[in-house]
Amino acid sequence: LAKTTQPISMDSYEGQEVNITCSHNNIATNDYITWYQQFPSQGPRFIIQGYKTKVTNEVASLFIPADRKSSTLSLPRVSLSDTAVYYCLVGENFNKFYFGSGTKLNVKP
Amino acid sequence: GAVVSQHPSRVICKSGTSVKIECRSLDFQATTMFWYRQFPKQSLMLMATSNEGSKATYEQGVEKDKFLINHASLTLSTLTVTSAHPEDSSFYICSASITGGEVPYGYTFGSGTRLTVV
Repeated sequence: LAKTTQPISMDSYEGQEVNITCSHNNIATNDYITWYQQFPSQGPRFIIQGYKTKVTNEVASLFIPADRKSSTLSLPRVSLSDTAVYYCLVGENFNKFYFGSGTKLNVKP
Repeated sequence: GAVVSQHPSRVICKSGTSVKIECRSLDFQATTMFWYRQFPKQSLMLMATSNEGSKATYEQGVEKDKFLINHASLTLSTLTVTSAHPEDSSFYICSASITGGEVPYGYTFGSGTRLTVV
């Protein structure tokens, strides 16, 4: 079973900041939190990964509270090309990942 | 970064025939690979875990005799859909476990194979 819960869908407009929250109440001590992006008919693509606090890279930020039971992916100034499904996964290295429903982000002009 | 090459990207086959999908890790060794299936507008469903040099581990409900997995080398895993039927039509994706670099702990995914059985 998937260990994460996300909103099924979100709408946004170009130029806005989008925050997608994921719940993972049963996260284990050794689990990392990883976010992937998937476009139709393509494999998931890595966005960002973190263990605690805040992580930022060139495309997104990941906020993880102290209890690590949730995480928030922040996409600054989204564009139409950010329309995709975003998956939050938690797990330990070399362990299999079960995908949750993901969040379908629809960016409107 | 670590790249997984999946081939073919799309294939159409006749009902009753078998189809092989290849997943290769480029520039790194993948002792563990995973195979997923994704139906339209649904999430990825884990089918099996492929371990180099040993038998694959299948998820509950996945027929091991229908979905043959071979992981004979550290860079290649194959999924063969045997006696394919229209209900096997789906998007198949492989992934490899990686460490270090951009993704400290996680997986890199292939580009997927669209299988259509007619």
